[in-house]
Amino acid sequence: DTAVSQTPKYLVTQMGNDKSIKCEQNLGHDTMYWYKQDSKKFLKIMFSYNNKELIINETVPNRFSPKSPDKAHLNLHINSLELGDSAVYFCASSQWWTSGAGELFFGEGSRLTVL
Amino acid sequence: TQLLEQSPQFLSIQEGENLTVYCNSSSVFSSLQWYRQEPGEGPVLLVTVVTGGEVKKLKRLTFQFGDARKDSSLHITAAQPGDTGLYLCAGGALGGGNNRKLIWGLGTSLAVNP
Repeated sequence: DTAVSQTPKYLVTQMGNDKSIKCEQNLGHDTMYWYKQDSKKFLKIMFSYNNKELIINETVPNRFSPKSPDKAHLNLHINSLELGDSAVYFCASSQWWTSGAGELFFGEGSRLTVL
Repeated sequence: TQLLEQSPQFLSIQEGENLTVYCNSSSVFSSLQWYRQEPGEGPVLLVTVVTGGEVKKLKRLTFQFGDARKDSSLHITAAQPGDTGLYLCAGGALGGGNNRKLIWGLGTSLAVNP
């Protein structure tokens, strides 16, 4: 059983289209994240949810809208795709942490290519 | 703004050589994590260090957290081709309220040639 699974793994689409990526974790964690990894491999946090509540929203354009129907699922919808949105998007989960740091478990990534 | 600088950015070595990767900041972190990412996959946690001066070993990998909790190093002894990958450090930052985030370094891309 995959701990953090995200679909689809590959997305190729035209500029202006709308697309969604889904993520599910079966680790019983209460915190989930979306990260964007660009071509230079830098990991940038986009959103974080704890128990379905949005707790981190890092200056991401309004075209990106996360949704967490329950604490095991976190989806990402992107409207009006632009060339600069091409990247690998990673979903991750962790326990809620009060000291030290949450240890993140990542999905395999969803590679989005906007043409 | 908290930043983590990793060096070197790229490293290509022969099997059997030793290497050290550095992760430095001017900020204090509650903890420091090291991840390895292989092509086409997500990062996988290698270790978390939380106490200043802490040293942890994972087979041929040795991780150290600086005394002031601002920097860390990863040393690999007798590198093998299986060690090839992108090594990422991430510092734990506990802010006010619900603000918890990891501050990520830019990564060190390691290639170990047979």
